[in-house]
Amino acid sequence: QVQLQQWGAGLLKPSETLSLTCAVYGGSFNNYYWHWIRQPPGKGLEWIGEISHSGATKFNPSLKSRVTMSVDTSKTNFYLRLSSVTAADSGVYYCLRWEPNSSVDSWGQGTLVTVSS
Amino acid sequence: QSALTQPPSASGSPGQSVTISCTGTSSDIGAYDYVTWYQHHPGKAPKVIIHDVSKRPSGVPDRFSGSKSGNTASLTVFGLQADDEADYYCSSYEVSNNYWMFGGGTKLTVL
Repeated sequence: QVQLQQWGAGLLKPSETLSLTCAVYGGSFNNYYWHWIRQPPGKGLEWIGEISHSGATKFNPSLKSRVTMSVDTSKTNFYLRLSSVTAADSGVYYCLRWEPNSSVDSWGQGTLVTVSS
Repeated sequence: QSALTQPPSASGSPGQSVTISCTGTSSDIGAYDYVTWYQHHPGKAPKVIIHDVSKRPSGVPDRFSGSKSGNTASLTVFGLQADDEADYYCSSYEVSNNYWMFGGGTKLTVL
């Protein structure tokens, strides 16, 4: 049974870079797509982007200029970095695994990120 | 880019059925059968209840049904139960810019 465990700094100042790690335990890292989504306080879900095990990426056009995603297959981790954060980037961030020709089959526990001066 | 359009709220009594709509464009919902519905109980991770318009993941009851007509997708919940009270989000792949877009969410209340 695959498990995703995520972590990262929960309190940032404006203009800093958000950095989150999602570790994959107990399952295959290859042949899946690894996504990040977020939910600002009181708002709906927003897709941030995805990365394959080989490092191919797709991003939300509204965040593309500030987002970086990467993978470390040796550690079965994947990463999110979001630069130049503002208060609008506050929210709960989730990592997830997407099975090809299917859908999401595993989620991280969520990380609350607050951007405040 | 604009989000998919969902009604902000929906409601029904236990045992009744309710349908939630999700309207997009020919570049997203109307383009391919890549519509996903998420159920989100506050404080928990979201859960996929429908993918590829009408497919249910293992473990999702058949009380949940998805469909699509043109640029509008729909989620129907049959035989409402108290635990169905949650936020529901539709999502579709947008083919012009290659990304997943979400609807604004619908808060389902079981009366």
